[in-house]
Amino acid sequence: QKEVEQDPGPLSVPEGAIVSLNCTYSNSAFQYFMWYRQYSRKGPELLMYTYSSGNKEDGRFTAQVDKSSKYISLFIRDSQPSDSATYLCAMSDQAGTALIFGKGTTLSVSS
Amino acid sequence: SAVISQKPSRDICQRGTSLTIQCQVDSQVTMMFWYRQQPGQSLTLIATANQGSEATYESGFVIDKFPISRPNLTFSTLTVSNMSPEDSSIYLCSVQHGYGYTFGSGTRLTVV
Repeated sequence: QKEVEQDPGPLSVPEGAIVSLNCTYSNSAFQYFMWYRQYSRKGPELLMYTYSSGNKEDGRFTAQVDKSSKYISLFIRDSQPSDSATYLCAMSDQAGTALIFGKGTTLSVSS
Repeated sequence: SAVISQKPSRDICQRGTSLTIQCQVDSQVTMMFWYRQQPGQSLTLIATANQGSEATYESGFVIDKFPISRPNLTFSTLTVSNMSPEDSSIYLCSVQHGYGYTFGSGTRLTVV
């Protein structure tokens, strides 16, 4: 079993839809959880950062962490064609250590 | 957040040759991380580079193949040595800065 599991998709939705992206993990020591967006031929860009359990909202994006279930989610409301990208979950057990990534989910939003 | 300048952005290399990738950060950082992203795969950590000491390599990656330089707190290089087609991948550097981690734009390497 990989440390971080993420459904690679692809996921196709119409503009305006609510998108749900998920990752599960096996290491209960993970405390820092991140979501990155990666456009084609670009480096990953940090979208959301969460420490421990709970929810965090930033504009159209909401990140949820459920440590008891070892499950994290990213919700995108009112999805736009510009949201079409690969979304990567990432996590670590200590601040300053390297991240462990999921495979990434490819999202396509059609207008 | 920190800004990383990574180059080259892409290269096509002959097998058996070496390529050095550079990352310059606009602020001083303690740790720099080097990742590889193969097609359809997640980012895999190659090594962690701390200024003034030898890099720490992950299982499956060795210094002779991927030597790393970290001469100061804003700069690092990764060399991919004696390349084979299996080394074709995207290579990324990363630093932690405040909350989260910043990544370079990546080097897309094709070995022919």
